[in-house]
Amino acid sequence: DAKTTQPPSMDCAEGRAANLPCNHSTISGNEYVYWYRQIHSQGPQYIIHGLKNNETNEMASLIITEDRKSSTLILPHATLRDTAVYYCIVRVKEYRNKLVFGAGTILRVKS
Amino acid sequence: EPEVTQTPSHQVTQMGQEVILRCVPISNHLYFYWYRQILGQKVEFLVSFYNNEISEKSEIFDDQFSVERPDGSNFTLKIRSTKLEDSAMYFCASSALTSGGEGQYFGAGTRLSVL
Repeated sequence: DAKTTQPPSMDCAEGRAANLPCNHSTISGNEYVYWYRQIHSQGPQYIIHGLKNNETNEMASLIITEDRKSSTLILPHATLRDTAVYYCIVRVKEYRNKLVFGAGTILRVKS
Repeated sequence: EPEVTQTPSHQVTQMGQEVILRCVPISNHLYFYWYRQILGQKVEFLVSFYNNEISEKSEIFDDQFSVERPDGSNFTLKIRSTKLEDSAMYFCASSALTSGGEGQYFGAGTRLSVL
């Protein structure tokens, strides 16, 4: 699986959009970008995934650059409950494949 | 919303004792996983399981570990002789057999404390 690079931490004001970047310059054609988050001491939570098109669901939007070397997870209106560690994971879209977690980005949403 | 359920939430055991961590995956999911997270460290993959056999396991998953799906709903992780370094949060996850490639869904975890 391709390696990802994320900033170690970010702050965001409550109610504003949180934009979390991820670099994955060695991504290959059959690898997808997945985002998970882990709220303190809880299990990781699946957020969204995509291949090359932008994706949106009830939780977030995922913007993938045209060359697929980077992506941005957008939480449109961050709340205090969105404070968590956010993980960007690149992997082949096989349902049996393990997830390899890095250190992620600690997002602190502040009032 | 369907969820992965893990029991117990906290397990305390003496070094050398056997423990069994239990998980009830989401009912229509067919792939099952165990991960662990030592305090302050990354989430680490242990094992994946499909069709009543192990699909993949990590170096952590040695002979002291085993997994089982004893019935149609439970998925268990057994540690035969616990060590101090087994103290961690253990997360169970499951995923569906679909072409949509949706993510893995995690339980809340079991905190294992080995004394």
